[in-house]
Amino acid sequence: DVKVTQSSRYLVKRTGEKVFLECVQDMDHENMFWYRQDPGLGLRLIYFSYDVKMKEKGDIPEGYSVSREKKERFSLILESASTNQTSMYLCASRKVGASDQPQHFGDGTRLSIL
Amino acid sequence: AQSVTQLDSQVPVFEEAPVELRCNYSSSVSVYLFWYVQYPNQGLQLLLKYLSGSTLVKGINGFEAEFNKSQTSFHLRKPSVHISDTAEYFCAVSRSGGYQKVTFGTGTKLQVIP
Repeated sequence: DVKVTQSSRYLVKRTGEKVFLECVQDMDHENMFWYRQDPGLGLRLIYFSYDVKMKEKGDIPEGYSVSREKKERFSLILESASTNQTSMYLCASRKVGASDQPQHFGDGTRLSIL
Repeated sequence: AQSVTQLDSQVPVFEEAPVELRCNYSSSVSVYLFWYVQYPNQGLQLLLKYLSGSTLVKGINGFEAEFNKSQTSFHLRKPSVHISDTAEYFCAVSRSGGYQKVTFGTGTKLQVIP
């Protein structure tokens, strides 16, 4: 069975900290995505990566960066966490060139910034 | 640009009653349409998708959706809901070809009342 694994289900950090959210997929997918989910706003794309070391900004990249050193792993980095980054973060993956195929999602990381 | 509108943020319905969750989209080109479901504390999983062909699409758990090009709608239906259908439902649209960004609606919370 295909799987996208996010390293933490719940995370609590302090303002100003550098925060790493990790995502691993076992499907050999080229494309990986980070979304932020907030009530009433749905899913908003932060960054996506279409291959190793390749990345593109999504709709709300400010305050975030990403790293894709290996095909199976895609990391989201909050450079200096702020309270407005408290949210649910979802990672997803999809095969390259497959816009007719669904994305596969992890279970999410609920991040609280105090 | 493409967009997705889910007008109903919450839909309460009694168990064994029918339900319709509404989704409208806008796009100047052909699109692929998806419905995802998110159970509490989980990521999103695919319910069904429309790529082309028959406008009535059947998915998992007894759900179906009808694509209406003239009304740019892709409403989700189930003739008889169960308690276990309580979840949040997201409509999504993707343009065809290569990597194409997926745009999600803001979600509809279905609450099934015993």
